[in-house]
Parts: sequence; structure tokens; C-alpha cells
Amino acid sequence: GAVVSQHPSWVICKSGTSVKIECRSLDFQATTMFWYRQFPKQSLMLMATSNEGSKATYEQGVEKDKFLINHASLTLSTLTVTSAHPEDSSFYICSARTGFQLIFNEQFFGPGTRLTVL
Amino acid sequence: KQEVTQIPAALSVPEGENLVLNCSFTDSAIYNLQWFRQDPGKGLTSLLLIQSSQREQTSGRLNASLDKSSGRSTLYIAASQPGDSATYLCAVPYGGATNKLIFGTGTLLAVQP
Repeated sequence: GAVVSQHPSWVICKSGTSVKIECRSLDFQATTMFWYRQFPKQSLMLMATSNEGSKATYEQGVEKDKFLINHASLTLSTLTVTSAHPEDSSFYICSARTGFQLIFNEQFFGPGTRLTVL
Repeated sequence: KQEVTQIPAALSVPEGENLVLNCSFTDSAIYNLQWFRQDPGKGLTSLLLIQSSQREQTSGRLNASLDKSSGRSTLYIAASQPGDSATYLCAVPYGGATNKLIFGTGTLLAVQP
């Protein structure tokens, strides 16, 4: 149980284009989803928190107009990198949690999406 | 502001050796602490979660301890195997009701056959 998937697993795009990454909870309803980015040989940095049906909360320094997050259903959240540039190249990981788990803050992580912007 | 650091940043050991990974956090008011494993280019696998009221948790060859007062946690790996090679991350929650996680800097482990 508690499986989270991401699609695509990797994507290469040209500078200036937009890229959408999907995060799905496969066997549970995710009231909250988190988006992280990870640069090579660095740890995960939280970008934003999204609750189903409401606007995402972005961490300080993360441009909300650059990284559009939509959490329209209890099993799907999307991250759209708009007008991507080479510096946006990174590993993007999502996680999800339910409102009913015994350990309130336990998160289940997706496999990640490697974005390369040329 | 909570800060989480891990020592060492990288570790190389021969197969069969017992090893200890360290995690330190600056704010001891934590609900729990998690240890994760990340293989290259992959997502995170949860290994152990220790509640603030616990002192240790065990799963197979892994044992994690927690000392809140000193702001430290250790992950002990017994009889290491090449398959244990990965990056190990610890994380603690912050942000009150938002339940966000702040991750440590990670330890890259290589177990040589």
C-alpha cells in the first residue's frame, strides 16, 4: 500500500517551453502533497505544499508563477514548470500523505522526475 | 530555524563491516525523526521512523536511535552488504500543522565487495 507514482520519469525539453509533471497516489487518497527539488549531490528542498482543492503554499524563494501546482483531486497533483530554463534542470520528487494515518506526518514518496532543459 | 546535518558526508567500507551514520538537529522539539534511503536517480524509501517518545527502532540489520536532548540520531547498519550502497537521509518535521519535512544533508555510503 501507499504507492505514489510520477510521470514522466524523465523529460528533456528546450529552453522556454513548459513541462508538466504528474504525481499520483495509487491506492490511497492524498489530502496533502508536497513537491521537492533536488540538485546533484544535494538534499531535498521543499518547494511547496498543496492541499486538495486549495491553492498551494510555496516556500520562501520559490516563484509561484514559475512553478504552477494544481491539486484538483485526492489522487493527483501536477507541477508545471513554465518557461523552463537550464537552471531549472533538477530532480523533482513528490510525496503524499493522507489525513488518516497513525503517524501524522508520515509521507510517501514518488520515484522522482529528472528534468533536463537544453 | 531547524537545521539538520549529517556526518560523514560520504563513507566507504568493506563488505561485512558494521557502521554508524549520524544525524544532528538544532531544535530538539521534534515529533519524530525518519531515516530514508535514496538510490542514485531514484526516489526515497522510508527505512525507520522513531517517535519522540522512543529511544530506538529496529528493522532487520538496521537500528536507529534518538536522543532528543542532545539533538542526535544514529543509524546503525550491521554486517553491511554491497546492496546497502546508497545515500541515507534523515528528516524531521517542522511547520506545525503543515507537517513539512526538513531533510539532512545526506551520507553517501559505498560498501565495497
